[in-house]
Amino acid sequence: GAGVSQSPSNKVTEKGKDVELRCDPISGHTALYWYRQSLGQGLEFLIYFQGNSAPDKSGLPSDRFSAERTGGSVSTLTIQRTQQEDSAVYLCASSVSGTENSPLHFGNGTRLTVT
Amino acid sequence: AQKVTQAQTEISVVEKEDVTLDCVYETRDTTYYLFWYKQPPSGELVFLIRRNSFDEQNEISGRYSWNFQKSTSSFNFTITASQVVDSAVYFCALRLYNNNDMRFGAGTRLTVKP
Repeated sequence: GAGVSQSPSNKVTEKGKDVELRCDPISGHTALYWYRQSLGQGLEFLIYFQGNSAPDKSGLPSDRFSAERTGGSVSTLTIQRTQQEDSAVYLCASSVSGTENSPLHFGNGTRLTVT
Repeated sequence: AQKVTQAQTEISVVEKEDVTLDCVYETRDTTYYLFWYKQPPSGELVFLIRRNSFDEQNEISGRYSWNFQKSTSSFNFTITASQVVDSAVYFCALRLYNNNDMRFGAGTRLTVKP
């Protein structure tokens, strides 16, 4: 069966440009998460979607970051006016439900490089 | 607040050696869940195990075993008779009840040499 799909796998952009990262979760999974993994670091929580509920945006580092999830499925993470410190791997994960004991299933990530 | 510490940044062993990856967590909550994930060189994190705070029973799955001790707030992971394919970055994670943020440790990079 298909896992979590992310695109693009790699993105190089110039400082100041906007980027959009896409995540297609596992079919039927109601919860969707975005994490950021900087080089040599652990995973940093960014945002969480659960069904039709308002997303938990508590992890977004600045107002340049936003995300949406259309139709309860595909999600897009947008970074406006990119900065060099935004360079990282952005990981998307989904789970069957948003309950605390549901393991997350991760995609391969999008490696973003801001030059 | 919750925090996960994986003090071992990198570990290198020779094939067939046993290796233990340490994980120490901090939380004041009484209900929480602990996880281990594996991130092989391909990059995709793979779920290995979940434990809830009320279940301190240790678990063994093949060459993998986990030791959960609430008294020391630790959830250590042991690989017995390591193999080259075990080479990866291993993450320990903590999620509190009624909280959307799964907090990850910084990870331990395990290299198993032939």
